[in-house]
Amino acid sequence: AQSVTQPDIHITVSEGASLELRCNYSYGATPYLFWYVQSPGQGLQLLLKYFSGDTLVQGIKGFEAEFKRSQSSFNLRKPSVHWSDAAEYFCAVAVDNTDKLIFGTGTRLQVFP
Amino acid sequence: GAVVSQHPSRVICKSGTSVKIECRSLDFQATTMFWYRQFPKQSLMLMATSNEGSKATYEQGVEKDKFLINHASLTLSTLTVTSAHPEDSSFYICSARGSGGTFYTDTQYFGPGTRLTVL
Repeated sequence: AQSVTQPDIHITVSEGASLELRCNYSYGATPYLFWYVQSPGQGLQLLLKYFSGDTLVQGIKGFEAEFKRSQSSFNLRKPSVHWSDAAEYFCAVAVDNTDKLIFGTGTRLQVFP
Repeated sequence: GAVVSQHPSRVICKSGTSVKIECRSLDFQATTMFWYRQFPKQSLMLMATSNEGSKATYEQGVEKDKFLINHASLTLSTLTVTSAHPEDSSFYICSARGSGGTFYTDTQYFGPGTRLTVL
């Protein structure tokens, strides 16, 4: 069965520092992968998605993610974190490449000034 | 971007009562809507998928008689938790995908969620 693992439950960084959130997936074929951000009181917002092609995907808010098949990973990165980036981040994979999403357990990002 | 709303945002009810949660796509038509459940500090778990005008497809382990889903129009889906019990307390989130496209081209847009507390 497909699964998504986010090894880091909670990450704290200083504003302006770089960020990498880890995501590992389990799927035999090429997966469809997503990163979402959840802020309190707001719905999940799609940051970026990977279906095929260039393995480095650019998203909104300055985020990017790199698909590495050899490592079954799709880590999210940002070169310089802003205080407004503090939120919960979820990695997700599409079940059998359909509409259904399986989410990881999320990583809570805290940003210190 | 597209907006999905949920109503109510928070509801408290007594055990044994039924609660209806609405999910609306405000500025687009949603052929497909999804209902998720999120426990504290846990991930979102897909409960069911609903297509406008047809019966919802429930995930394994989700009681269809307990969680009634109606997708009567292209902008509205409802989740009714029947005979709610304290273990049904959770955060319920809906998402919607626009019509006329595929998931490959159309993003799922998520609502802000509904916090249900059953006393």
